[in-house]
Amino acid sequence: DQQVKQNSPSLSVQEGRISILNCDYTNSMFDYFLWYKKYPAEGPTFLISISSIKDKNEDGRFTVFLNKSAKHLSLHIVPSQPGDSAVYFCAAMPRTSGSRLTFGEGTQLTVNP
Amino acid sequence: NAGVTQTPKFRVLKTGQSMTLLCAQDMNHEYMYWYRQDPGMGLRLIHYSVGEGTTAKGEVPDGYNVSRLKKQNFLLGLESAAPSQTSVYFCASSRPGSKRPSTSGQARPLETQYFGPGTRLLVL
Repeated sequence: DQQVKQNSPSLSVQEGRISILNCDYTNSMFDYFLWYKKYPAEGPTFLISISSIKDKNEDGRFTVFLNKSAKHLSLHIVPSQPGDSAVYFCAAMPRTSGSRLTFGEGTQLTVNP
Repeated sequence: NAGVTQTPKFRVLKTGQSMTLLCAQDMNHEYMYWYRQDPGMGLRLIHYSVGEGTTAKGEVPDGYNVSRLKKQNFLLGLESAAPSQTSVYFCASSRPGSKRPSTSGQARPLETQYFGPGTRLLVL
């Protein structure tokens, strides 16, 4: 079963607008959540994370929101730039597994100039 | 500081052939991981290692073996390749994770995994 799910395979937005990428999870033991960004022919790179004790974490243009009761998190990118075009993976980590991550399927974001 | 490197970048195999993918990291990380990425399925953990000489199965370990003889290297072996193993393989490394949720506002947790550039494998 897919414990971390990204229901939108793709998202297209205009430059300067907000991009919102969504992620749902089912495992209540997950207590740390990360977003990774991946360009073609490269490995994923860490973008931003959030602990389950917080509901928001901000880093520049990137903000991650966590709704524990709904088991839902989202990544907001404001303003979106063409260089943000990439695949974004949501990942989750349960406290009992050390560093083991469970990844979602990924969402391809395209930011149009 | 090269981070995580993977060898080779691309390989074509015939069904039944064997090969070894090499991952090396120069960050002195304890933990190393092998993932495969397939369209629509994200990254799935094959095997991982929490230290030199130790390995463990991940989510999709069948058909693969691994070895961690040196801290900086993690090898992934395919003894008899099958077309279903056509994929992009990523290696990653990290420090050990904390057993408690982070209470700090740090942007990058210690457990952050650093990925290599990937190996594209085609099995015919």
